Amino acid sequence: DAGVIQSPRHEVTEMGQEVTLRCKPISGHDYLFWYRQTMMRGLELLIYFNNNVPIDDSGMPEDRFSAKMPNASFSTLKIQPSEPRDSAVYFCASSPGRISNQPQHFGDGTRLSIL
Amino acid sequence: KQEVTQIPAALSVPEGENLVLNCSFTDSAIYNLQWFRQDPGKGLTSLLLIQSSQREQTSGRLNASLDKSSGRSTLYIAASQPGDSATYLCAVLNYGGSQGNLIFGKGTKLSVKP
Repeated sequence: DAGVIQSPRHEVTEMGQEVTLRCKPISGHDYLFWYRQTMMRGLELLIYFNNNVPIDDSGMPEDRFSAKMPNASFSTLKIQPSEPRDSAVYFCASSPGRISNQPQHFGDGTRLSIL
Repeated sequence: KQEVTQIPAALSVPEGENLVLNCSFTDSAIYNLQWFRQDPGKGLTSLLLIQSSQREQTSGRLNASLDKSSGRSTLYIAASQPGDSATYLCAVLNYGGSQGNLIFGKGTKLSVKP
């Protein structure tokens, strides 16, 4: 079975540029999550969707970050304009059914470097 | 505010040893606690999920326990192998608020020496 697929795996860009990260969740999973991982802060939830609808975006750091899920098989996380402090590994995860008793399945992440 | 702490941050053991990783959390109002494994350059792989009403879960050489009242969980690895080398993270899912908001510890980096 195909797992959660993220692209690109690595992204290096200059400050001020727009960055778009992509995620394809596991087919049939109702929930999709975006996380950010840094050495200082560890793994933090940015936003999650249920049936393509954003449920909680309280972790999105500021207005430069936006996320969409136009359909059940695709989501994007966009940073515009990007800043060096956005450098991190960004993970997408998906989960079936009730998230209170189902584990989340993670993609391999996008390592983002903003110069 | 829920905080999750993992001690130690790093652990090195010889192959074959049994070992325990620790996780503590400050708010006992949780749905579940989950243990994940993360290999370098990879995402997280779910190992065990313990519901708040459960005391432990087992999978192969792994056993995770949960003591909600004291805010503690342990992950026991029996007969460790070099392939167990990875970072292990625990996370809790809180009651109330955002049901999707897993709160993670910063992990324990395990190295098993042949």
